[in-house]
Amino acid sequence: GDSVTQMEGPVTLSEEAFLTINCTYTATGYPSLFWYVQYPGEGLQLLLKATKADDKGSNKGFEATYRKETTSFHLEKGSVQVSDSAVYFCARRTTGFQKLVFGTGTRLLVSP
Amino acid sequence: DSGVTQTPKHLITATGQRVTLRCSPRSGDLSVYWYQQSLDQGLQFLIQYYNGEERAKGNILERFSAQQFPDLHSELNLSSLELGDSALYFCASSGTGSNNEQFFGPGTRLTVL
Repeated sequence: GDSVTQMEGPVTLSEEAFLTINCTYTATGYPSLFWYVQYPGEGLQLLLKATKADDKGSNKGFEATYRKETTSFHLEKGSVQVSDSAVYFCARRTTGFQKLVFGTGTRLLVSP
Repeated sequence: DSGVTQTPKHLITATGQRVTLRCSPRSGDLSVYWYQQSLDQGLQFLIQYYNGEERAKGNILERFSAQQFPDLHSELNLSSLELGDSALYFCASSGTGSNNEQFFGPGTRLTVL
């Protein structure tokens, strides 16, 4: 079935470090892929998305590329800030359906 | 602010009880989704309504039910509550079209004692 696998957290980084959070998905259907962010005490916010192979989603310095050959959608940021501390969720949505299937979430902690 | 509102913010109740969670979608959005976020199951899709009709069902227990009213707000009813139902319940809404983004509310934290 549809599933998304994310790396376990927490990921602990110093400010200005490079961030990668790995995400892989099952290849059934033609999914759209998403990264959502959840700040403490808040709901989920869409960070970026990609709807087809080789698309790159980007927002607020974060990027992720839809890699069909490796079924991956890894999240990257060149220089993290303390304010990026949050839980990041990778998700997929199969074309023709609207429900989102989420990974387990990865907590990012950035220290000054 | 996503434009999706949920009430109450927190709910504490006892096992065996019944509660109702309420969601108001963004203005103009016809689709409402309910998700459950728990420590052991992660973030899971429960159910979707579109313009008052049930559109898709996920891992929703038989003790749970939902509806969407003519004014498009939605309610999630949880009955015969168990300790394991303690979780964050999120509502999301989206416009028409299969590629429309889902906007999430701040959630209702349910604690069952």
